[in-house]
Amino acid sequence: GQQLNQSPQSMFIQEGEDVSMNCTSSSIFNTWLWYKQEPGEGPVLLIALYKAGELTSNGRLTAQFGITRKDSFLNISASIPSDVGIYFCAGTKSSGGSNYKLTFGKGTLLTVNP
Amino acid sequence: EAGVVQSPRYKIIEKKQPVAFWCNPISGHNTLYWYLQNLGQGPELLIRYENEEAVDDSQLPKDRFSAERLKGVDSTLKIQPAELGDSAVYLCASSHDTGELFFGEGSRLTVL
Repeated sequence: GQQLNQSPQSMFIQEGEDVSMNCTSSSIFNTWLWYKQEPGEGPVLLIALYKAGELTSNGRLTAQFGITRKDSFLNISASIPSDVGIYFCAGTKSSGGSNYKLTFGKGTLLTVNP
Repeated sequence: EAGVVQSPRYKIIEKKQPVAFWCNPISGHNTLYWYLQNLGQGPELLIRYENEEAVDDSQLPKDRFSAERLKGVDSTLKIQPAELGDSAVYLCASSHDTGELFFGEGSRLTVL
């Protein structure tokens, strides 16, 4: 089946540092989504990307849809302790309408040291 | 606006027992999904509904798992009988025409 390679698997950083994580696929995706999951909770949608080359920000978060449509990255600037959690990328080959078979990466565990 | 609601949040059962999970999607969302999340992994799709129709259940282990969404709103996921390997988090999600999935808090199953 479809595979998304997400890296790094984990990161341990100091408060205030910037963070970058990425996701790659062997096949083309039409939609990329980034989610954050905290312990005991469901994933929460952070950013949605629908066009190749698209760069979208949500506060201190910025994500880009790669031009090749096979990758995406997420940056977090000036990290704070509440950024701790697991960040998942997800992609689908459908365009428009409801997402069909959204495939998730294995996640990046982020730890922020105050 | 209320989010996706799931219950129970936690369930502990012995193997071979049945278990059921319930999901109420966001109002107006016609698409409902059940995902399985194992520890340290991303969610994996079990079944997707468009209104009351199951349009993708290819990943649902049909020998022991079943799901229904009779009136196109709430949905139930059942496991009978449960096995040790079924211990995981069962996530429900819903979406509308934007295609963005919104997840519930999940139902955590432990099979002893």
